Amino acid sequence: NAGVTQTPKFQVLKTGQSMTLQCAQDMNHEYMSWYRQDPGMGLRLIHYSVGAGITDQGEVPNGYNVSRSTTEDFPLRLLSAAPSQTSVYFCASTLSRKGHTEAFFGQGTRLTVV
Amino acid sequence: DAKTTQPPSMDCAEGRAANLPCNHSTISGNEYVYWYRQIHSQGPQYIIHGLKNNETNEMASLIITEDRKSSTLILPHATLRDTAVYYCISRGGAGNMLTFGGGTRLMVKP
Repeated sequence: NAGVTQTPKFQVLKTGQSMTLQCAQDMNHEYMSWYRQDPGMGLRLIHYSVGAGITDQGEVPNGYNVSRSTTEDFPLRLLSAAPSQTSVYFCASTLSRKGHTEAFFGQGTRLTVV
Repeated sequence: DAKTTQPPSMDCAEGRAANLPCNHSTISGNEYVYWYRQIHSQGPQYIIHGLKNNETNEMASLIITEDRKSSTLILPHATLRDTAVYYCISRGGAGNMLTFGGGTRLMVKP
């Protein structure tokens, strides 16, 4: 049982490049989400999904796209990387039952845009 | 969504109890209070949650005031490995996703 797997762990991009951050979970959770964490700050929600085929915007969605074609995968796409997107990105898979939710986080992708 | 307020940092001596406070005065009646922690920039880890009653698990205890406007996370015997940022969270952000604030940076000292 791997939980939540994020790839890559580290990435350096040039301004204007695009890339996809991968996230996969093997817990059959319906809810998945992406957060970013800037130095010394808490996590901010980028996009989330409540099931395959359903996505929605979080607090800071600009510059990012997501899709959810399967329950297991929730990739995050940077359309045209900017230095302001330098951050640590966390994917979470959430168990939701009887009003209680418990989120399981991946180990993060550390992205630097130069 | 309810906002939470935590002190930015706290120190605790190793082996002593760490008591981390959280104010959530705008929490609604059906919103849980969650505690997560983040060790050295790893992904956050679930600790405990509660609605009205005090809760205890193998990691910590959660004390919620009767009016539900505040809570305290208790680590009964803090170790150096408990040094982390602790987040008090109420669900209710976009899509009922977790909304993180700044958290409390707990430093456990020898």
